[in-house]
Amino acid sequence: DGGITQSPKYLFRKEGQNVTLSCEQNLNHDAMYWYRQDPGQGLRLIYYSQIVNDFQKGDIAEGYSVSREKKESFPLTVTSAQKNPTAFYLCASSVLDSGSGYEQYFGPGTRLTVT
Amino acid sequence: GNSVTQMEGPVTLSEEAFLTINCTYTATGYPSLFWYVQYPGEGLQLLLKATKADDKGSNKGFEATYRKETTSFHLEKGSVQVSDSAVYFCALSIGGSYIPTFGRGTSLIVHP
Repeated sequence: DGGITQSPKYLFRKEGQNVTLSCEQNLNHDAMYWYRQDPGQGLRLIYYSQIVNDFQKGDIAEGYSVSREKKESFPLTVTSAQKNPTAFYLCASSVLDSGSGYEQYFGPGTRLTVT
Repeated sequence: GNSVTQMEGPVTLSEEAFLTINCTYTATGYPSLFWYVQYPGEGLQLLLKATKADDKGSNKGFEATYRKETTSFHLEKGSVQVSDSAVYFCALSIGGSYIPTFGRGTSLIVHP
């Protein structure tokens, strides 16, 4: 079955440590996205990418970094510069065909807790 | 810019009640409209969509009609179940921009 996998489901880190969240898709989608979700809040866009080796900052990119070395992979690094990293992180992908309306496919999410 | 406004939650209903979650939008072009659902502890999944005016999207007993004249895409279900308890997100995307705009989400709680 095609889909998006995120690992791990739960991640715990100490303050001051960088941590990398994994996102892999086998849908052959060109575009990939990272969102942050805080309790009771909507989705906020961190980074997005439409092609290998290219990505753009979203609304809240400070303290985060990404890479897109392969079409199917879009890992997110939460750096020690991110002031409030504890959150639920969602990865998504979509085709770049406007006929689809750019509907998004989401992974199951990673809940990061930093203490 | 583009924006999506959803009714504030939580919406609390008894099983078999009628559900409406309001969604209105502003957009600079002709958007495609979506409803996504997020069950507790999970990612979002597409519930239904409509890509042009007067289209009706439907899935799992949920329906929404793309109303260009009122810029709305309200979600409805005739008889909710406890298993429908989740957060529902309305969203839009515009041709030429693959970055969607999401509403803040509406929590639905269904009691037996």
